[in-house]
Amino acid sequence: GQQLNQSPQSMFIQEGEDVSMNCTSSSIFNTWLWYKQDPGEGPVLLIALYKAGELTSNGRLTAQFGITRKDSFLNISASIPSDVGIYFCAGQLTGGGNKLTFGTGTQLKVEL
Amino acid sequence: DAGITQSPRHKVTETGTPVTLRCHQTENHRYMYWYRQDPGHGLRLIHYSYGVKDTDKGEVSDGYSVSRSKTEDFLLTLESATSSQTSVYFCAISERMPNNSPLHFGNGTRLTVT
Repeated sequence: GQQLNQSPQSMFIQEGEDVSMNCTSSSIFNTWLWYKQDPGEGPVLLIALYKAGELTSNGRLTAQFGITRKDSFLNISASIPSDVGIYFCAGQLTGGGNKLTFGTGTQLKVEL
Repeated sequence: DAGITQSPRHKVTETGTPVTLRCHQTENHRYMYWYRQDPGHGLRLIHYSYGVKDTDKGEVSDGYSVSRSKTEDFLLTLESATSSQTSVYFCAISERMPNNSPLHFGNGTRLTVT
């Protein structure tokens, strides 16, 4: 099946620092999504990207849909303790049931 | 959690026993999905449904079956549980196409097969 390579696998940063993570694919997607998962809960949608080249922000989060449609990145500015969690990218193809292919996640830890 | 309830939240069962997990939604969304989450693998699709009685396989469907007899409920059944099916199972929903609507997830069911 399709693989999404997400990096880094984990990050340990200082509060207030900016964070960047990315996701690459061997296949093209029509939509890129970024989710955050807290312990014991399901993934929660952060940002959805629908067009190649699109740059979208949600508060301190900014994500971009790569121009080749095979990659995406997520930036978090001025990290705070509640940013701790696992971040997943996901690629989606139109049709075929809106199925998502997920990356393996980036675990973010914030040092006070 | 977008109006999604998974039950049970936790279950321990023995190898060889049947297990059914339930997903209930209050959003009237057409699409429903079952994923499993394992360390190092992220979330992988087991089965999905695109309407009542309409289902299809995902990438890890072996050993699982599903049923959708009404819009709000999507059941995942392990006919004979194995230790390799120990995992956290997530249900997700999305609206009717072609809106490219994102998936919204429930809070998961942690299943342990001993």
